[in-house]
Amino acid sequence: SFELTQPLSVSVALGQTARITCGGDNIGSKNVHWYQQKPGQAPVVVIYRDSNRPSGIPERISGTNSQTTATLTISRAQAGDEADYYCQVWDNTIGVVFGGGTKLTVL
Amino acid sequence: QITLKESGPTLVKPTQTLTLTCSFSGLSLTSTGEGLGWIRQPPGKALEWLALIYWTDDKRYSPSLKDRLTITKDTSKNQVVFTMTNMDPVDTGTYFCAYRRDGILTDWGQGILVIVS
Repeated sequence: SFELTQPLSVSVALGQTARITCGGDNIGSKNVHWYQQKPGQAPVVVIYRDSNRPSGIPERISGTNSQTTATLTISRAQAGDEADYYCQVWDNTIGVVFGGGTKLTVL
Repeated sequence: QITLKESGPTLVKPTQTLTLTCSFSGLSLTSTGEGLGWIRQPPGKALEWLALIYWTDDKRYSPSLKDRLTITKDTSKNQVVFTMTNMDPVDTGTYFCAYRRDGILTDWGQGILVIVS
């Protein structure tokens, strides 16, 4: 079965750059979407199809996808970026697949 | 503006069937590429996809749970209904409905916490 692997947690100093990875077999061939979820709230898409930002998402949030790893990058990290982040793809056999989620802490 | 809202029981007993309704506005679920799905999240844990229904009425289910799940839509009422049979305490969690457009879960409901006890 297809699985997406994310680190459980990532820490970043205020104003620095955080990178959250999402690994999966040949993930580079799939469209990867990223969701941000703050406590008590529903997820919100922050990156779709690897590197596209919905309106209202700041430019300092970006995404890349290559071969076995997709990466969400948050530059100039702010306290408001603290959240859980999930990657997601569509797999023709399984359907919607989510990564296990990464808790981002801004120090 | 798209809005989605989940409704249903917040407490169910083990072995009972859970029935949840997602009421939506701002979308039709009749246009090419549209879909509506259900995702759950146990307390403190990750998101888990459960089911998806397309504008064509095609349905997809999580392979690990498909024997327990049913999803249907009633576009005249702007609703999607989700059922999960034989509920167990491990099924406790927040259940979300979400609008899927071109593969992206673009809009989510606020979620409903369901406790199995």
